[in-house]
This record gives sequence, structure tokens and C-alpha cells, in this order.
Amino acid sequence: AQRVTQPEKLLSVFKGAPVELKCNYSYSGSPELFWYVQYSRQRLQLLLRHISRESIKGFTADLNKGETSFHLKKPFAQEEDSAMYYCALQGGSEKLVFGKGTKLTVNP
Amino acid sequence: GAVVSQHPSRVICKSGTSVKIECRSLDFQATTMFWYRQFPKQSLMLMATSNEGSKATYEQGVEKDKFLINHASLTLSTLTVTSAHPEDSSFYICSARDGGFTEAFFGQGTRLTVV
Repeated sequence: AQRVTQPEKLLSVFKGAPVELKCNYSYSGSPELFWYVQYSRQRLQLLLRHISRESIKGFTADLNKGETSFHLKKPFAQEEDSAMYYCALQGGSEKLVFGKGTKLTVNP
Repeated sequence: GAVVSQHPSRVICKSGTSVKIECRSLDFQATTMFWYRQFPKQSLMLMATSNEGSKATYEQGVEKDKFLINHASLTLSTLTVTSAHPEDSSFYICSARDGGFTEAFFGQGTRLTVV
């Protein structure tokens, strides 16, 4: 079974502070992991995927198979980063399974 | 990025009636479409996966006779909520992909309210 756990429902940081949104997964095979973001009143959109190994908007995420984690990090948070962040996993089938999401608020 | 359009964005219907939600890929061919349901302040719950020209695969606990999914073309999938009840009120979101492991693009969602 595919399962994604985001332990923090809410996360609040100050502008310029580092931020880490946690994601752990459960899957027996080799997963593909994603982070999706939903800004206020906008649709869900892909932020990054582990296979690309890229940094988007200053965010990075490293897949740690030993810890079954895919935490999202940014060294210096900006106010415009405030949004809902969802970690998602795609296993052998086509379906994408989402975590419950973390609401990030970056305070001025 | 590619665009997925969902229609309507909001709908209010009477209990017992049926309502259809459309999901269109505007600039790519969506071989696979997904339908999700999102309760307030909760995550997206996958309801079903549909591939063009074949029957949808429903997740456990989702009533296939109540949530009819049709994916008749590479650019259109529809979700029909039949005999809607107030407990069906929710936010329904579709996403579409043009290949097995390519990026999934999301529609803007449909807020269904059953009164």
C-alpha cells in the first residue's frame, strides 16, 4: 500500500528563517515522490519531483530511502511561500497518493 | 505548463438529482485522468483513475454506481454524481496526465453543494 505522512498540519516561520516541511512515505517498491503547492485561491501545481533533483523557488527536497523521507527545505523563507504544501507518492501503478498537507505561513 | 479546465467551478443541486462535472485537457492529450475529493481542511482523496476508452478504476470505498466516470476522449473526462445527497457536498478536483510518469496537471476544482 502507498501511504504518505505529513506530520505537521500547520507550520509558521518568520521571513528569512529556514523552513522544513516533513514528509515520510510507506511503499515497498521504488517510489516517485513529488511536492505540490496550492497558493490561496489557486489550483494545485507541481513544485518539484525527486527525479529532477532541481531547486524550484529556492526549495529542494532529497529522497532518503533509508529514512523513507522526502522533506522539503528552503534556507530563507519568503512571505510569498505561504501556501498549502502536499507531498505525493506515485508507486508502480499510475495513481498519485497525497499526504494530508501542511499549511505554511511565513510571517513578516 | 499544460492546462486542465474543470466546469463548473461551483454547482448547487437539489438532493436526489444528478450533477455532471467536466474535466478537459486544453493543450495536451490526457491518456489518464484522476478524480479526487477534498473535504474541508483535509487532503485530496483519490476516488478513481480513468484511462481513455476504458472503464475507470475506483478506489476502495468509492461507489462506482454513484460516481460515474466517463473518459470517452483524450481531452475530456466527466464525473457524474448520481442521486446526490448532502453528504456528497465536497470539493471535487480532476487531474490529467499524458503518460505514465509525467507530471499531472490539476483542474481548478468544483465546489458541489447538495441542498
